[in-house]
Amino acid sequence: ETGVTQTPRHLVMGMTNKKSLKCEQHLGHNAMYWYKQSAKKPLELMFVYSLEERVENNSVPSRFSPECPNSSHLFLHLHTLQPEDSALYLCASTPVPIPGSGANVLTFGAGSRLTVL
Amino acid sequence: RKEVEQDPGPFNVPEGATVAFNCTYSNSASQSFFWYRQDCRKEPKLLMSVYSSGNEDGRFTAQLNRASQYISLLIRDSKLSDSATYLCVVRGGYNKLIFGAGTRLAVHP
Repeated sequence: ETGVTQTPRHLVMGMTNKKSLKCEQHLGHNAMYWYKQSAKKPLELMFVYSLEERVENNSVPSRFSPECPNSSHLFLHLHTLQPEDSALYLCASTPVPIPGSGANVLTFGAGSRLTVL
Repeated sequence: RKEVEQDPGPFNVPEGATVAFNCTYSNSASQSFFWYRQDCRKEPKLLMSVYSSGNEDGRFTAQLNRASQYISLLIRDSKLSDSATYLCVVRGGYNKLIFGAGTRLAVHP
């Protein structure tokens, strides 16, 4: 059982819907991430939170809105998505990285597979 | 040029074969390198880190060539259970891990 839990595992939504993806980690990590994985493409980093503060936002459209209420929980709020947003959304966590150390191994959740109709 | 490039495959090999994947990266300042494994419809999981001197874990050997900016993964005595997509991962800035698109391996009886 992975230490990172994502819900829902599958989500189908229309372009006008509002939904949220949830991620919870039980590893005591302090950094959490959202990645997008589309077919035959590399994982794309969307957002990074470290100690509940957003430290990276990779030019993600505003229809994706992250929220990190505490170091164990991460949400991705979805609003007026497009069909091309259909993908696997992966949450991951790491301990707060120490430069030069190996303590930056990502632990992924099982993902939320999103289909936008 | 992509930041991390991999041959997408698929590599179709029989059980017991030895297979090798290469991965090239564009940022010469990259410091950490990893191989992740992703099974079909599952999340990526760390297979092994790649150290400067090369490292081995059972049937798996990882090598780093900084001069040519590539890393490799060698799998000996392939098993059916090795069938998966292998993701090359390079660490850039503030814990920013850059993923390759993956190399698909299919091991057949």
